[in-house]
This record gives sequence, C-alpha cells and structure tokens, in this order.
Amino acid sequence: DVKVTQSSRYLVKRTGEKVFLECVQDMDHENMFWYRQDPGLGLRLIYFSYDVKMKEKGDIPEGYSVSREKKERFSLILESASTNQTSMYLCASSLFGTGSNQPQHFGDGTRLSIL
Amino acid sequence: QKEVEQDPGPLSVPEGAIVSLNCTYSNSAFQYFMWYRQYSRKGPELLMYTYSSGNKEDGRFTAQVDKSSKYISLFIRDSQPSDSATYLCALEGGYSTLTFGKGTMLLVSP
Repeated sequence: DVKVTQSSRYLVKRTGEKVFLECVQDMDHENMFWYRQDPGLGLRLIYFSYDVKMKEKGDIPEGYSVSREKKERFSLILESASTNQTSMYLCASSLFGTGSNQPQHFGDGTRLSIL
Repeated sequence: QKEVEQDPGPLSVPEGAIVSLNCTYSNSAFQYFMWYRQYSRKGPELLMYTYSSGNKEDGRFTAQVDKSSKYISLFIRDSQPSDSATYLCALEGGYSTLTFGKGTMLLVSP
C-alpha cells in the first residue's frame, strides 16, 4: 500500500514565523502535491512537483514556497506565517502521467494554527 | 461559474438507503473523473475513477459519468453507518492535477 506520511498532525505557530511542513512517500512516485483544505472552500492546490528540484505553482501559491531535494520528500514552506494560513494542509503523491491509472494518494494532513 | 459544483449537504439517510451524490462541471477538457471519501480528521482516499461516459461498479458503489451533460454521480447501495463521511468528486486536468468539488457530507443513521 502507498503510504504518504506528513510529519505532524497538529502544529501551532506564531505570526511571522517560518514554518516547514514535511511530506514523505514510500512508493517512488514522481508527482507530489500540496493542498490546503478549508470549510466552504474545499481542497485547493498550492504547489506541485513532477520531479526532483522541479516545482509548479498551483491555484494559490502566494505566501508559500516548496522544496524537493529528494524524490520521496516534498516540503511546504510558509515564509512568514500569517493567521489566514491557518488551515488543514494535505500532501499527495502519484505516478507520473495523466489518467486514472495514476490516482493521487493522500496523507492524513497537518492541522496548522497560526496565532 | 465555478469549475466544479457539488452540494455540500449534509445528506442524512437511514441505513440501507440508496445514496446519490452528484457533481456538475463546466470545462469539457476534463477527461478523468474520480470520487474520494474523506473521514473526519483523515486524508481523502480514492473510491472510484472513470474515464468514459457510462457506469462503473465496484461492490456497493457505482460511478456514473455523462460527459454530454457534464454531470457525474456516485451511487451507494445498501448504505451503512460506516459510509458516513465527506465525498469529494475530482476531475483531472494537466500534469495529473485534480480539481475538486467542495465535498458532500453524508450521514447514515443506524
């Protein structure tokens, strides 16, 4: 079974801090994704990566950056955390390519609170 | 117009009922259609995926796609309390990215 592991289930940080969210997958997937999930807004794509050191902006990249130094690890960085970044953050991975043979597999999320 | 529309619910049904969950979409470029189930405090898990118009069955679940109407459905037969969750439709665009509906919360009472 594919396992996507997010380093923290719950995290509390202060405004202005630099925050790192880590995600590791164990299935040698090329694609990795970061989403945030908010009530009433659903899942929104922040960034994704289809290879090591590659990154692409999603729908809401502002205030975030990412790092992918190794294939199995994809980090989301909040450069200067703000209260409007309080959210559930979900990481996902999939094999390269389009189509239903390569579904995205999700971690259980990090609930981040910015005070 | 939002790309994917999905009624947020909650949808409350008694155990054993047939459940119908639906999404409509506006972009005809979407080619692959998925349903995810998300339990409280967990990540989404893939339930069903389809490519072409028509039906696909997997146990108690049936996914239906009507590309001409831009309408997708998930049917759950003999619903169980363990089916209580939020159901998300997801449509695939380029680079394997997905556009999600906002999810429908389903509550199945014993």
